[in-house]
Amino acid sequence: DAGVIQSPRHEVTEMGQEVTLRCKPISGHDYLFWYRQTMMRGLELLIYFNNNVPIDDSGMPEDRFSAKMPNASFSTLKIQPSEPRDSAVYFCASSLAGGQGAKATFFGQGTRLTVV
Amino acid sequence: AQKITQTQPGMFVQEKEAVTLDCTYDTSDQSYGLFWYKQPSSGEMIFLIYQGSYDEQNATEGRYSLNFQKARKSANLVISASQLGDSAMYFCAMREPSRQLTFGSGTQLTVLP
Repeated sequence: DAGVIQSPRHEVTEMGQEVTLRCKPISGHDYLFWYRQTMMRGLELLIYFNNNVPIDDSGMPEDRFSAKMPNASFSTLKIQPSEPRDSAVYFCASSLAGGQGAKATFFGQGTRLTVV
Repeated sequence: AQKITQTQPGMFVQEKEAVTLDCTYDTSDQSYGLFWYKQPSSGEMIFLIYQGSYDEQNATEGRYSLNFQKARKSANLVISASQLGDSAMYFCAMREPSRQLTFGSGTQLTVLP
């Protein structure tokens, strides 16, 4: 079984450029999460989707950030324009619903973003 | 208020010994899940173990066990027979009915040879 697949693994971009991070969740999972990890703030939830619908985007830092999930097997997180303070590791994760049946949230390997 | 508290920024353990990583949580929900993840230096987040709030027995997965004390709202991770490969950052997390995972600040575990 393939896990959560993220691309690219590493991204270096110049300030002001648009950045698009991609995620393919585990097949059959109906929840998808985007997290950001930094030394200062730890792991922060940015947004999550249920059945492709955004449920809570209160963690999205600013309007420069947007996320979409056009279908059950693909999601994107876009930053436009990017800034140096956006440098972080961005994780995508997916899980199943069902009461406490959401036994585990599985993470992708992350995208390490550096904005110079 | 912190939902998940990990009070040990760093821990050291001798190889082959057991170690307990502390985690306390705060929720008013009756139904929730508790998780531990391992993050090695390579950066990926690896799911280790899960405990549901209604589970009567402590969860175990190989050398990992979760010491769940509901009344105290604690969910400590016990790693038995530590190995050098266990050196990593360990995160405790909670999932409430809103479905989002909330993470603690992590504990950096170093296993000494």
